Formats: sequence, C-alpha cells, structure tokens
Amino acid sequence: DAGVIQSPRHEVTEMGQEVTLRCKPISGHNSLFWYRQTMMRGLELLIYFNNNVPIDDSGMPEDRFSAKMPNASFSTLKIQPSEPRDSAVYFCASSLLASGRETQYFGPGTRLLVL
Amino acid sequence: SQQGEEDPQALSIQEGENATMNCSYKTSINNLQWYRQNSGRGLVHLILIRSNEREKHSGRLRVTLDTSKKSSSLLITASRAADTASYFCATATQGGSEKLVFGKGTKLTVNP
Repeated sequence: DAGVIQSPRHEVTEMGQEVTLRCKPISGHNSLFWYRQTMMRGLELLIYFNNNVPIDDSGMPEDRFSAKMPNASFSTLKIQPSEPRDSAVYFCASSLLASGRETQYFGPGTRLLVL
Repeated sequence: SQQGEEDPQALSIQEGENATMNCSYKTSINNLQWYRQNSGRGLVHLILIRSNEREKHSGRLRVTLDTSKKSSSLLITASRAADTASYFCATATQGGSEKLVFGKGTKLTVNP
C-alpha cells in the first residue's frame, strides 16, 4: 500500500504567485483532509471531504485558499495569490470511513516557503 | 479552537525509562486518538480509545482515558532512542462537527 501521496514535497515561491498542492488518498478511503502545521498555531484543519463532497471548510483562512476533489483519488489545495504568512507544512490525510472522527492516515506533507 | 492540550510540552528521558504524556480536553468526546510525528514527517496514528473504554494497549504503548476528569495519558514503556518524536492527542467531540482537533504536542527525546 503506497499510503497517502503528496506533491510536491517542497515548494519555494514568491509572494503573489499561485501555488497548487496535490494529494492522492489511500485507495478505498472515503474522507480526505487538508491540514496546515506551523510552530505558532500547531496543526490546523483547513477543509475535509466525505465522498468527494466538502463537508467543513471553516478552517480555510480566506478566499485566497480553495480546495477541490474532482474524484475519489485526487485532491488539490490552491493558494492564489500566495503570501509569506502562508509558509507552513501542508498535510493531506485520508480516512476509511466517511467520518472526520476516525483514524486518519497522513501523507509526508508539502513544505511551502513563500518569499 | 484547541480541544486537547498535552502536558508536558517537552520531555527528556534515558533509554529504557518509561515516558508518560498527558492530554486534557474540555468537552465530551466520541473518541481520543494519539499520533506520533517524527521530525520532518507526517503524523502516524498510534491508538484510538473510545469514550466507553478506560484503557487500551498496543505493544509498548498504554493509553488510559478518564472521562470524568476529561483527561488521557499515553505511557511508553522501556523507551528507545527511536521513540524520539512529538506526540499529539486528537479529540473527536460528541455531536457538532465531525472532525479531529489536535493539541500542540509533547516533544519526547529519548537519550541513548
């Protein structure tokens, strides 16, 4: 089992540029989560999907952030335009059940640096 | 909003010793989970304990849950240098939004 796959692993970009992070959940999993981790704020849930439908996006910081899940095996998190304060590690996680409460399997993360 | 808070924030022990980390939370929960994060890596699920359970074991890990005190503890016995990592508790609240809320973690260092 390949686990949750994220790309890219590292991204360095300049302020104002568009950033797209990608995630492939574990096959057969029904929930997908996007988190952001920083030293100051810890691990924050940005948005999660059940069966490809966004359920809770209350953690999305502002309109610059958007997430899509066009099918069960792919999701993107887009930041447009990016700002230095978006610098963080972004994790994708998936869960077997269509619930945000059960065991989650995390990807290796994308380390984003916005200059 | 932060639900679970780990204590201590950092813990340093010698190999072979036991490590105990605590998690306190504020509202009623459906379950509580512990995760480990090695430096520069994603989180790895360790154990899930449901609100009607009091204790669970997995290898060298022992988790207890006291719903009356709204607290949980994670015990790692006979620690190894490879246990060096950050440990997070995550709570799934009863009712309301179905999601996990993570604490800020305990950074454990096991010295060889």
